[in-house]
Amino acid sequence: EPEVTQTPSHQVTQMGQEVILRCVPISNHLYFYWYRQILGQKVEFLVSFYNNEISEKSEIFDDQFSVERPDGSNFTLKIRSTKLEDSAMYFCASRRRTSGGAPQATDTQYFGPGTRLTVL
Amino acid sequence: AQKITQTQPGMFVQEKEAVTLDCTYDTSDPSYGLFWYKQPSSGEMIFLIYQGSYDQQNATEGRYSLNFQKARKSANLVISASQLGDSAMYFCAMREGPNSGGSNYKLTFGKGTLLTVNP
Repeated sequence: EPEVTQTPSHQVTQMGQEVILRCVPISNHLYFYWYRQILGQKVEFLVSFYNNEISEKSEIFDDQFSVERPDGSNFTLKIRSTKLEDSAMYFCASRRRTSGGAPQATDTQYFGPGTRLTVL
Repeated sequence: AQKITQTQPGMFVQEKEAVTLDCTYDTSDPSYGLFWYKQPSSGEMIFLIYQGSYDQQNATEGRYSLNFQKARKSANLVISASQLGDSAMYFCAMREGPNSGGSNYKLTFGKGTLLTVNP
C-alpha cells in the first residue's frame, strides 16, 4: 500500500541554522500539508500546498518557513534560521480528492512517520 | 473556543474489553469530516476511521467504530476487543468545508487521549 515517507527521521541542529525536511507524498495525491507537534501537545496545522503554490498557512508559518515541490515527487519544508521553540515533530501529509462537494472518505489525509527536529 | 474537545487525557482498559474514547466538536459548517488517528509511542500518525457529516450510518473499520451523534456534535471512537497493541495516543480531528474559509481541508486536532491496555 502506498505511503507517505519522510526524511530524516531525526534532525539535530544548532539554533540559527537552516534545516530542510523532506517528504515524498503518495503519488496520485494532489494536496500536501505540513503539521507540527510539540512534545506532549496536539498536532497543529502549518501549511497546505496545491497546484504548486501555498493554498493556506497558519500564523505559525512565518517568514522563517517555506515550502517547495522541487520535482514531481518531493515536498520540502525549510526553516531558515531555527529557534529553540521550533523543536517538534514535523509531519507531512497528503490527500487525493479535490475540494468541493460533500465530504468523502477520500478526503482523508495520510501522514508520514514524521521528522523529529531538535534545536540546541 | 476549542473546535475539537477530548475530555479524557488518559484511559485504561483490560485486554479483550471494549473502550470508548470521547470526542466532541464545534462547527457551524454543514459539511465536515471527522477522523481518528492513532499515535503509538514510536510517533507516527496512523489513520483509523472517517465519518462524513452527511453519512447516515456510523462508520466501522474492523475493531473500530465511530459513534456519531450529530445533534450532540460527538464522534466517539469505540474499540472492541482491546489488544495490547492498541496502547497509544488517540487523536480526533475535523476538517471543515469551504464554508468555513479555505478549501484546503486542513485538519484541526484535539489534545488526544492516551489509552493503556492492561493484560
